[in-house]
Amino acid sequence: AQTVTQSQPEMSVQEAETVTLSCTYDTSESDYYLFWYKQPPSRQMILVIRQEAYKQQNATENRFSVNFQKAAKSFSLKISDSQLGDAAMYFCASLHPLDSNYQLIWGAGTKLIIKP
Amino acid sequence: EPEVTQTPSHQVTQMGQEVILRCVPISNHLYFYWYRQILGQKVEFLVSFYNNEISEKSEIFDDQFSVERPDGSNFTLKIRSTQLEVSAMYFCASSGDYNSPLHFGNGTRLTVT
Repeated sequence: AQTVTQSQPEMSVQEAETVTLSCTYDTSESDYYLFWYKQPPSRQMILVIRQEAYKQQNATENRFSVNFQKAAKSFSLKISDSQLGDAAMYFCASLHPLDSNYQLIWGAGTKLIIKP
Repeated sequence: EPEVTQTPSHQVTQMGQEVILRCVPISNHLYFYWYRQILGQKVEFLVSFYNNEISEKSEIFDDQFSVERPDGSNFTLKIRSTQLEVSAMYFCASSGDYNSPLHFGNGTRLTVT
C-alpha cells in the first residue's frame, strides 16, 4: 500500500529565510504524481506545487521548489524568502492512478511557523 | 478562476440527526471527492465519485454515509444519524482528469452536539 510520511510535525523559520519541508513516500508504481498542499488557518486546501514522477526536472513555482529524488522516494518542499503569509499547515500527497483509483494519499502534515 | 464551493461553511447538528453537505464542483470536472479532517489530525479520504457512481471509498465511509449527484452541478454528502465522532471539517474536491490536481472547496465544518 502507498504511504506518505512527513516526519516534521512542526517547523519554524525566520521571515525572509529558507525552509525545507520533508516528505517521503512509498510506492511500487512508476507512474504517479506528487503534490504539496497548503492549508492556512482558513482551512482551505491550496495546491502549492505538483510533480509528475516521470519528469526528472524539479518543479518550481515562484518561491516554492521541490527536490524530487525518485530513487530515494523523497519529495521535499523548499520555500525561499519566507513570508508571514506562508504560515500554514503543509500537506504532502501522492496520487497513484492505477493502484489507488485516483485516491490522494496524504501525509500527516507539517505546521510551518514564520517568525517575524 | 473557477472554484469548488461548499455550503454551509459551518453546520451544527444534534446527535442522531441527518445532515447533507453540499458541494458545487468546477463545472467541467468529472471526478469528485470527499475528504475529512478531524481537528488537528490527518486529512482522510472518504470517497471518490465518477460517472455517477462511487469509484472508491475508504473504510470510514460506512453505511452512515452516502453521496449523490442529484443534478448536473451539485455533489452531496449525506450523513445519517450523526454521532459525535463525525464532527470534522469536510472537504469536497474535484478534478478534470484522473491525473489533474484536486481543487478543494473551503470545507464545511460539521459539529455534532
